[in-house]
Amino acid sequence: RKEVEQDPGPFNVPEGATVAFNCTYSNSASQSFFWYRQDCRKEPKLLMSVYSSGNEDGRFTAQLNRASQYISLLIRDSKLSDSATYLCVVTTDSSKTGKLIFGQGTTLQVKP
Amino acid sequence: DAGVTQSPTHLIKTRGQQVTLRCSPKSGHDTVSWYQQALGQGPQFIFQYYEEEERQRGNFPDRFSGHQFPNYSSELNVNALLLGDSALYLCASSFADVAKNIQYFGAGTRLSVL
Repeated sequence: RKEVEQDPGPFNVPEGATVAFNCTYSNSASQSFFWYRQDCRKEPKLLMSVYSSGNEDGRFTAQLNRASQYISLLIRDSKLSDSATYLCVVTTDSSKTGKLIFGQGTTLQVKP
Repeated sequence: DAGVTQSPTHLIKTRGQQVTLRCSPKSGHDTVSWYQQALGQGPQFIFQYYEEEERQRGNFPDRFSGHQFPNYSSELNVNALLLGDSALYLCASSFADVAKNIQYFGAGTRLSVL
């Protein structure tokens, strides 16, 4: 079983739609959680950290459910520029190195 | 403020050859991690360097080795290249303090093994 699992998609949505991505992780000792965004053939960039209480950054909302080992990302009012691959990332800080463990990524295509 | 820089951007090699990839971390960062990203997959952790020592290693064979220099820059070496080594190789830099551990990625080196 992969340590971090995501539905690879692609998710094809019209502009203005609301879309949600889900992610599950297998290691209950996971400590930190992130969503990264990766544009085609570019490097991953941090989109947002994910906190137990849930957090919001503009049109983006992230949720963490430690009991179910589940992370989500909600994008409201989708823009064409949101088209990218969204990577779910966890760390198990027992390693003390902050090694990032990535999911496969979920591809989003926003259509006009 | 320069971000993470990697060189070269693209590289074509043949099976059995050796390759060296280079990374300069973001200004002020002292820790460098290397990741391999195969097509359609998420990045996979190769290893991390801090204070010129390998601090942690992922599930990669000994053909993959690295080095960190006193100025915190780093190299990734891959020997006896296989077709399966074709991938985007990403370098990420950060502070050693895990509490401040937001990793910033370079644009990567795209390696093709023929």
